[in-house]
Amino acid sequence: ETGVTQSPTHLIKTRGQQVTLRCSSQSGHNTVSWYQQALGQGPQFIFQYYREEENGRGNFPPRFSGLQFPNYSSELNVNALELDDSALYLCASSPGASPSYEQYFGPGTRLTVT
Amino acid sequence: QQQVKQSPQSLIVQKGGISIINCAYENTAFDYFPWYQQFPGKGPALLIAIRPDVSEKKEGRFTISFNKSAKQFSLHIMDSQPGDSATYFCAATKAAGNKLTFGGGTRVLVKP
Repeated sequence: ETGVTQSPTHLIKTRGQQVTLRCSSQSGHNTVSWYQQALGQGPQFIFQYYREEENGRGNFPPRFSGLQFPNYSSELNVNALELDDSALYLCASSPGASPSYEQYFGPGTRLTVT
Repeated sequence: QQQVKQSPQSLIVQKGGISIINCAYENTAFDYFPWYQQFPGKGPALLIAIRPDVSEKKEGRFTISFNKSAKQFSLHIMDSQPGDSATYFCAATKAAGNKLTFGGGTRVLVKP
């Protein structure tokens, strides 16, 4: 069984640019959540996708957007990057026919905005 | 508003000792409380979790104690090993929405 994978591992962007991060959920998992983890802090919920529909959103501006594909993989897009967007972006997937409590995280994408 | 408060921010324990991390929550709608372990450069890994209908859950050297009336829960790491050196996060969630609300993390260092 393959775990949650994310790409790329690291990324450096300039303020104002746009970025797309990718996540492949664990086999059989149809729910994907994205989190932002600033250095030295706990992850903060960005949004969740269930069966290709957004299923909840945290306190993040609209320039953070996402997609989920029929194979349950997902993308996180961030427009107009700001310096404060520098963080580890984590994807987590959940098993089952409906959203479940357990969430399994990928290794993350380290985004640096200069 | 920080809904889950975690303490201490860091702790040092000798090999074989007990590490204790505490968390307090505010939202009484939370009904699932997991703990995650994170090593540098890695994503958080689910360690152990508890529902509020039980007061304690043990898995190997890891034990969660839960006090519903006080809205507090804690992680005990028994017989701490150098390989346990990591950052630990408590979290909470409720059935609807399913987003995890994390504490600020505790950096644990186990000295050999």
